[in-house]
Amino acid sequence: DAGVTQSPTHLIKTRGQQVTLRCSPKSGHDTVSWYQQALGQGPQFIFQYYEEEERQRGNFPDRFSGHQFPNYSSELNVNALLLGDSALYLCASSLEGVGRSDTQYFGPGTRLTVL
Amino acid sequence: EDKVVQSPLSLVVHEGDTVTLNCSYEVTNFRSLLWYKQEKKAPTFLFMLTSSGIEKKSGRLSSILDNKELFSILNITATQTGDSAVYLCAVGSNYQLIWGAGTKLIIKP
Repeated sequence: DAGVTQSPTHLIKTRGQQVTLRCSPKSGHDTVSWYQQALGQGPQFIFQYYEEEERQRGNFPDRFSGHQFPNYSSELNVNALLLGDSALYLCASSLEGVGRSDTQYFGPGTRLTVL
Repeated sequence: EDKVVQSPLSLVVHEGDTVTLNCSYEVTNFRSLLWYKQEKKAPTFLFMLTSSGIEKKSGRLSSILDNKELFSILNITATQTGDSAVYLCAVGSNYQLIWGAGTKLIIKP
């Protein structure tokens, strides 16, 4: 049973650049949530995608955008990178349909460093 | 504003000790409370609690929810060095999980 996968594992960018992170959900899951986790802090909710639409969004600027594809995989895009965007970006999948559960399963994360 | 507060922020104990980690919350539209363990990268799921007073158990770990007093505890008995990690508490509300900052647990041999 394939778990949540993310790519790339590490990324180094410079200020002002743009970045795209990718996520494939756990087999059978249809919902993808993205989180930003700074060192020593809990994850902060960025947004959640279900049925290819952004269903809910946290307190993140419009520089953060995303997409969900028909196969439920998802992308997170960040434009005009700032030093403060350096963090671990976590993708989590869950099931919304029959058998809906709040339990989210996480991928290994992408460590983004902005120089 | 919704918030989840964990205590203590860090804890150092010796192998074999029992620890209790705390999570209190003030969240609108509470659906569930979840505990995760984070060692290096991805948080791994431990428990989901929705009903007050019902203990969930998995080996040496157990957890219980009090949704009247709005808190949960995670107990780990006979701790081992492999239990060293950050333990995160999250509350499900609407479509998101609202997270605490975590408790960093260090088990000394």
